[in-house]
Parts: sequence; C-alpha cells; structure tokens
Amino acid sequence: EDKVVQSPLSLVVHEGDTVTLNCSYEVTNFRSLLWYKQEKKAPTFLFMLTSSGIEKKSGRLSSILDKKELFSILNITATQTGDSAIYLCAGELNNDMRFGAGTRLTVKP
Amino acid sequence: NAGVMQNPRHLVRRRGQEARLRCSPMKGHSHVYWYRQLPEEGLKFMVYLQKENIIDESGMPKERFSAEFPKEGPSILRIQQVVRGDSAAYFCASSPSWGSRGYTIYFGEGSWLTVV
Repeated sequence: EDKVVQSPLSLVVHEGDTVTLNCSYEVTNFRSLLWYKQEKKAPTFLFMLTSSGIEKKSGRLSSILDKKELFSILNITATQTGDSAIYLCAGELNNDMRFGAGTRLTVKP
Repeated sequence: NAGVMQNPRHLVRRRGQEARLRCSPMKGHSHVYWYRQLPEEGLKFMVYLQKENIIDESGMPKERFSAEFPKEGPSILRIQQVVRGDSAAYFCASSPSWGSRGYTIYFGEGSWLTVV
C-alpha cells in the first residue's frame, strides 16, 4: 500500500529557531516528492524533488530527497510567526499523489 | 486570472440529505482532482477526472459518492445520504495536464461539509 508518513505531527518553536520536518514514503511508481504549505486556505506549492542529494532552496526554506532511504526533509531557518502552518509532504505517482498527514508547525513570538 | 473556485465554501447538511460540491478549474485546465481532508489527517485522493471522463476513482468510497466533470460547467462531487463521517474539507485541484510537473496542480480553497 502506498503511504507517506510525516513526523513530527506537531511542533512548537520560538521565533528564530531552526526546524526540520521529516517525510518518509513508500510509493510504487514514484516520480517525485512535493512539499506544500497549508494555512487557512488551500495548500501552496513549496518544492518538487526528483533527484537524490540535490538541495532545493527558497529563502529560509530548503529541502532534500534521499531516494535510497526513501525520505525527505524540509528545513526552515530563522523561523517567523508567519511560518506557522501545516506542512504537507506528498509522493507523486504516475497518476496520483499520496499525501502525508502533515506537520503542524507553530512559531511563537 | 481566477484560480480554482470551489463552492459552497461551507455547507451544513442533516444526515440523509445530499451534498453537492462544485469546482471550477482554472481557465485552460482540463484535469480536475478531488481530495478529502478529514480532521487530523492528510489530504486523501478521491478521484481524477478529465472532461466527460473519470480517469481514476480509486479513492472514492464505493457507495453514496459520485463525481462528474461535464463538457460544460464545473466539476461536481456528489454525496448522497450523508452521514456524520462525511464531515470533512473537500479540496479540488486542477491542472492543464498530468505529467511529472506536480507543481502545476493548483488547489481551490476547499469546501467544508458539516453533517449534523
């Protein structure tokens, strides 16, 4: 059965902290791994990862994929209260996506 | 350029009633996906449709749920005889085509169904 597991399920940090969110996956016909940020509205795209070991960066966010060990991490440095959200990881298959349960990040001032 | 539009945003139904959720994809998009998000769970795939065709409905419950994407008009997710367990957020997404470019999937803002 295809599955995507995220950890931790929730995380509370203070502004300025660095956080690492984990995503492990077991999906058949794997094509890519995606990270989304979900606030009160719809999920917004962050990263798509297809190759192992290549870090993608966007400002204070970065992500990397390990296709051998079947996991990905999302790092957020110098966190801000605006980073508070649910971070979703998804494994893209041939015709489908499998989402993890998400990590709820709360950044306190 | 309007994004993916879902309506209603919030819907309350009594047990046994029917719920209809609508999704208008982004202009130029011919692929629609429906996802359900239950409390404390991630988004779960339900169905993938192209115009007038259901491509993959492997995530749809076998009974009471149906979806369509007619040649004209929005995609509709229909839930008959709703039960409390159907209470969830239903997200629609659209894309111009399915390929390896997962980032071209655009989500609507969701429809929150509450069954009382």
